[in-house]
Amino acid sequence: GAVVSQHPSRVICKSGTSVKIECRSLDFQATTMFWYRQFPKQSLMLMATSNEGSKATYEQGVEKDKFLINHASLTLSTLTVTSAHPEDSSFYICSARVSTGTVTANYGYTFGSGTRLTVV
Amino acid sequence: AQKITQTQPGMFVQEKEAVTLDCTYDTSDPSYGLFWYKQPSSGEMIFLIYQGSYDQQNATEGRYSLNFQKARKSANLVISASQLGDSAMYFCAMREGPGAGSYQLTFGKGTKLSVIP
Repeated sequence: GAVVSQHPSRVICKSGTSVKIECRSLDFQATTMFWYRQFPKQSLMLMATSNEGSKATYEQGVEKDKFLINHASLTLSTLTVTSAHPEDSSFYICSARVSTGTVTANYGYTFGSGTRLTVV
Repeated sequence: AQKITQTQPGMFVQEKEAVTLDCTYDTSDPSYGLFWYKQPSSGEMIFLIYQGSYDQQNATEGRYSLNFQKARKSANLVISASQLGDSAMYFCAMREGPGAGSYQLTFGKGTKLSVIP
């Protein structure tokens, strides 16, 4: 239980275009979704936290106009990288907060499989 | 100050041997949780083991055990009988706050474990 499906797994886009990454909770309701970015051989850095039905909270230094997060439903959260540039190339991964009241898988956090974005 | 410190960028271990990956943490919150994740080259985050701050006993999950020393603020991961498939990045992470809240995880920089045949 508590599976998060993240798509696409890999995407290559041209500089200046936008890319949308989706994370769907398949068998539970994800009231909170965390979005992380990971550069090669580095750790996961939190970009933003989104709660269903409200605006995302961005970490310091993350451009909210560039990384648009939408969490319109309890089963879908999206990250859109707008006007992508080569420096936005990275591994993006979502993590859903799983309510310990209903599902206790992995002690409350389940991750998508990640999206490797390459901007050319 | 870093909240999670992993001082070993890379580790090597012989197959079938045990290995300890170090993790120290820093928090003033009395309620917190400590996690270890494995990240293979595919990128997925695989949950390994969890230790709550109020847990009296060290957590164990199969070949994984967590050496929790609360006073020293350390939560080292011990992998017994290493296998070639254990080669991956390993991340220590912390949740500050009780388990029922929507608290983020803070990750350490990771340790790259290589298992030698």
